[in-house]
Amino acid sequence: EVQLVESGGGLVQPGGSLRLSCAASGFTFSSYWMYWVRQAPGKGLVWVSHITSDGINYADFVQGRFTISRDNAQNTLYLQMNSLRAEDTAVYYCARGGVEMATHSRRTFAYWGQGTPVTVST
Amino acid sequence: DIVMTQSPLSLPVTPGEPASISCRSSQSLLHRNGNNYLDWYLQKTGQSPQLLIYMGSNRAPGVPDRFSGSGSGTDFTLRISRVEAEDVGVYYCMQALQTPQTFGQGTKLEIK
Repeated sequence: EVQLVESGGGLVQPGGSLRLSCAASGFTFSSYWMYWVRQAPGKGLVWVSHITSDGINYADFVQGRFTISRDNAQNTLYLQMNSLRAEDTAVYYCARGGVEMATHSRRTFAYWGQGTPVTVST
Repeated sequence: DIVMTQSPLSLPVTPGEPASISCRSSQSLLHRNGNNYLDWYLQKTGQSPQLLIYMGSNRAPGVPDRFSGSGSGTDFTLRISRVEAEDVGVYYCMQALQTPQTFGQGTKLEIK
């Protein structure tokens, strides 16, 4: 069974930092594209970043402040968030790209974690 | 970025009746490989989103067959043949053709 479990969220002051983790199990972690998606309170879903075997991408609004990484030996995805702003307040979800046996589905969010809330406030 | 537009944004439905949600993209989601890169997700209250349909018309594993997706290019539809109480939540379409993936605004389905 595929499981994604996020942790590391919390309350932080503007300008502060947090490191989110996503522990993966039930699949060959290193073989899949992994994503961070966020949802501000009462709002919709927004792609934040992804990491593949040979590349990384960020949304413009986090470029230079957030860093995505992965430890394939530990089956864990990370998001280092620096210089946090009030507008970064959201639930952060990690997601796995790709449906089993469906080639070319790497950008589909086949599985999601339960999310970890991040609040940036004084 | 590709802009995704859903309608309606609110959808009251009587249990047992059908329902449909429309999604339009600002550019074609049809890849030269023949796939339409359009997904549908359902987010129930207090839960994380779950994949319902991928590549326009393929049901994700475990999704009931009352859910179906159709369309091509820039116009897509999610249909529920007979709505059940457990189908309540917010439905999102998302283009999976290119980075960044972008979502529609969401359609809130509620039971009458």
